[in-house]
Amino acid sequence: AQTVTQSQPEMSVQEAETVTLSCTYDTSESDYYLFWYKQPPSRQMILVIRQEAYKQQNATENRFSVNFQKAAKSFSLKISDSQLGDAAMYFCAYRSAEGGDMRFGAGTRLTVKP
Amino acid sequence: NAGVMQNPRHLVRRRGQEARLRCSPMKGHSHVYWYRQLPEEGLKFMVYLQKENIIDESGMPKERFSAEFPKEGPSILRIQQVVRGDSAAYFCASSPTAGTLVPEAFFGQGTRLTVV
Repeated sequence: AQTVTQSQPEMSVQEAETVTLSCTYDTSESDYYLFWYKQPPSRQMILVIRQEAYKQQNATENRFSVNFQKAAKSFSLKISDSQLGDAAMYFCAYRSAEGGDMRFGAGTRLTVKP
Repeated sequence: NAGVMQNPRHLVRRRGQEARLRCSPMKGHSHVYWYRQLPEEGLKFMVYLQKENIIDESGMPKERFSAEFPKEGPSILRIQQVVRGDSAAYFCASSPTAGTLVPEAFFGQGTRLTVV
């Protein structure tokens, strides 16, 4: 079974600085998708970024980028120029390319200091 | 195109009562997933359904919990004889059919169940 591990329960960053959130996963599959979701206090799960395992190029969405290391099974999220609105819980998730449910890590609570 | 709709947003039940949580997937989505989130924890997979079929219920407790996704109408997560430990946020997500270019699931805003 696939497992997703986020080893940082809490992280803190100064406004306008850069922060990296870690995620590792375990799978025997070669084709899959990885995601980062943001959950603000409203509880709504918001997709931040998505990575296809067959793509070597790291995904980027504005201030959000990932460092995908397939051999190491690592998928970290980098947030540049952090903003107060980035404060939230961040969840890393895995989904097989064959479909089915998504598996989530335990989450990292990000605090942004003004 | 409306997003995933869950209702109610908040539900209070006394111990021993039944809780029924509803989820209407996004238009055109035929896959529904239910997750449970305990306070300060991640989302735990419960059950994966397609129309009229349960595909994977490996995360569902064996007793008191059931789920359905009928041909017509919303998906229902039903918890019988609720206990205090059932208090959590329950999220529904939907996705299009497998093999599309959109592999991510879209989430509703969740139902917060409080058992008193």
